[in-house]
Amino acid sequence: AQSVTQLGSHVSVSEGALVLLRCNYSSSVPPYLFWYVQYPNQGLQLLLKYTTGATLVKGINGFEAEFKKSETSFHLTKPSAHMSDAAEYFCAVSEEYGNKLVFGAGTILRVKS
Amino acid sequence: KAGVTQTPRYLIKTRGQQVTLSCSPISGHRSVSWYQQTPGQGLQFLFEYFSETQRNKGNFPGRFSGRQFSNSRSEMNVSTLELGDSALYLCASTTGANTGELFFGEGSRLTVL
Repeated sequence: AQSVTQLGSHVSVSEGALVLLRCNYSSSVPPYLFWYVQYPNQGLQLLLKYTTGATLVKGINGFEAEFKKSETSFHLTKPSAHMSDAAEYFCAVSEEYGNKLVFGAGTILRVKS
Repeated sequence: KAGVTQTPRYLIKTRGQQVTLSCSPISGHRSVSWYQQTPGQGLQFLFEYFSETQRNKGNFPGRFSGRQFSNSRSEMNVSTLELGDSALYLCASTTGANTGELFFGEGSRLTVL
């Protein structure tokens, strides 16, 4: 079975600093990988996804992620944090390119002014 | 374009009762998935419906069931409620293609006393 590990349940950065949220996955087949964001009292919103092709994926709100097969990683980055980025971020993998997603435990991002 | 609508947003039940949650997908979306979100277990896939048929199912007991209507609206039912069923239940819709690009509603928060 596929699984996702997000390193760090809480990450705190200063406004303007680099954001790095870590995600590692286990999969016996080529994975399809996603990052979703959840703001307080809201549902999840897709930030970006990797299926095939270019390993550096750009998403919304200035976020990007790089698929590294050798490291089984899909870390999320943003060059400069904004206060509005404070939310919970979930990494997910899909089984066989479907809509059944396996989510990581989530990382709460705090942005300090 | 209206988003995914879930009703009710909040509800309180007692052990042994049953509950029905409703989800109206984005217009034109034919696939509806349900996820359970709890602090301890995180986000877990319940089931997916497409064209009134269950297309995929997670590892939940038979007390959890769902259905989809011809207009793509979906309901999920939990019978014989247990304290551990307290959770945020999220519905997500997509066009029907297996892309993993899910559009989530704000959820129905169930508290079981």
